[in-house]
Amino acid sequence: AQSVTQLDSHVSVSEGTPVLLRCNYSSSYSPSLFWYVQHPNKGLQLLLKYTSAATLVKGINGFEAEFKKSETSFHLTKPSAHMSDAAEYFCVVSPPNTGFQKLVFGTGTRLLVSP
Amino acid sequence: DGGITQSPKYLFRKEGQNVTLSCEQNLNHDAMYWYRQDPGQGLRLIYYSQIVNDFQKGDIAEGYSVSREKKESFPLTVTSAQKNPTAFYLCASSMNRDGNQPQHFGDGTRLSIL
Repeated sequence: AQSVTQLDSHVSVSEGTPVLLRCNYSSSYSPSLFWYVQHPNKGLQLLLKYTSAATLVKGINGFEAEFKKSETSFHLTKPSAHMSDAAEYFCVVSPPNTGFQKLVFGTGTRLLVSP
Repeated sequence: DGGITQSPKYLFRKEGQNVTLSCEQNLNHDAMYWYRQDPGQGLRLIYYSQIVNDFQKGDIAEGYSVSREKKESFPLTVTSAQKNPTAFYLCASSMNRDGNQPQHFGDGTRLSIL
């Protein structure tokens, strides 16, 4: 079975410092991987996706993620945090060969940004 | 602007009552999905539909029902059989069932028990 583990339930950073949100996945095959962001009482917004092209994926708002097959990781980074980045972030895997696009969601990481 | 519209934003259910959550999309997407979100958990799939007049149960379909009579619309009914309906409900759509296609989400409906 496919699974996603977000290693931190909460991450706190100061504005202007780097952000690292960690994600490990388990998949028998090369999956598609996504990062989504959710602000309070809102839906999920796609930040970036990996679909077996370049291993370093650039997304919106200065975020990027690197796919490391040997480590089964897909960590999300940003060089400099902004107050508006405070939100919940979900790592998501889309396993292949399921007949339809069943997404497997991590439990989320809440990013707190202090002034 | 294209997107997904969920209504209402907040909904209250009395004991023994069925309630229906609306989801409309103007993205011309074939596939639509309903998820339930509880605090501290990831999203869980309730139902999905890959094409008009067809839908399948997800992981937690008990106590819920759906219909897909139009491509744009995928309403979710929370029946009285769902004993713990308090949650945030999210509707999503994708161009097709290809795993490479991202899902687009609405802004959710928060359902509470009176």
